[in-house]
Amino acid sequence: AQKVTQAQTEISVVEKEDVTLDCVYETRDTTYYLFWYKQPPSGELVFLIRRNSFDEQNEISGRYSWNFQKSTSSFNFTITASQVVDSAVYFCALGAPNAGGTSYGKLTFGQGTILTVHP
Amino acid sequence: DAGVTQSPTHLIKTRGQQVTLRCSPKSGHDTVSWYQQALGQGPQFIFQYYEEEERQRGNFPDRFSGHQFPNYSSELNVNALLLGDSALYLCASSLVVGTHGYTFGSGTRLTVV
Repeated sequence: AQKVTQAQTEISVVEKEDVTLDCVYETRDTTYYLFWYKQPPSGELVFLIRRNSFDEQNEISGRYSWNFQKSTSSFNFTITASQVVDSAVYFCALGAPNAGGTSYGKLTFGQGTILTVHP
Repeated sequence: DAGVTQSPTHLIKTRGQQVTLRCSPKSGHDTVSWYQQALGQGPQFIFQYYEEEERQRGNFPDRFSGHQFPNYSSELNVNALLLGDSALYLCASSLVVGTHGYTFGSGTRLTVV
């Protein structure tokens, strides 16, 4: 069975602080995908990144960076110099190809981390 | 380029009633998945449709059923509504063999009273 654990339920920071959101996953699949989504109050899940199980390169996109460590089954997300607009709920998710023939099949989400950035 | 469109945005139903939620996938996407998100929780997978067939199903009772149409749009039906069915229902679309994962809609907020 797949499982995703986000250790922090809520994080509160002051603008310009760096913040790291932790994600630990469990799976028996050898091929899998890891995702981070942002959910603003509007409800829509906004795609941030996808990572394949065979690609452990870290990635940086502007103020966002991701650290994937297969050895510890972790896929952590760091926001550098946080801004008020970063306030949202962030979800880590795990997916895998399924027997039905689709690329991602079921996504298993963590409980989410509520990030509040104060001015 | 239109993203995923869901309707209605909000809905209030009475226990025991039936409800149908609708989803139009992002242009070019052929696979639709449905998720239930209870307040304060992460989304839970209901099922996925591709080529008008249910390809994978989560741990939801048979009261939850779906359909995919030839134009790739989809419906989620819930029968005999329970108070516990109150949630945000999210639709996500993707390509059957894609590289960018899912695109989610803004959801339908269902309240059962």
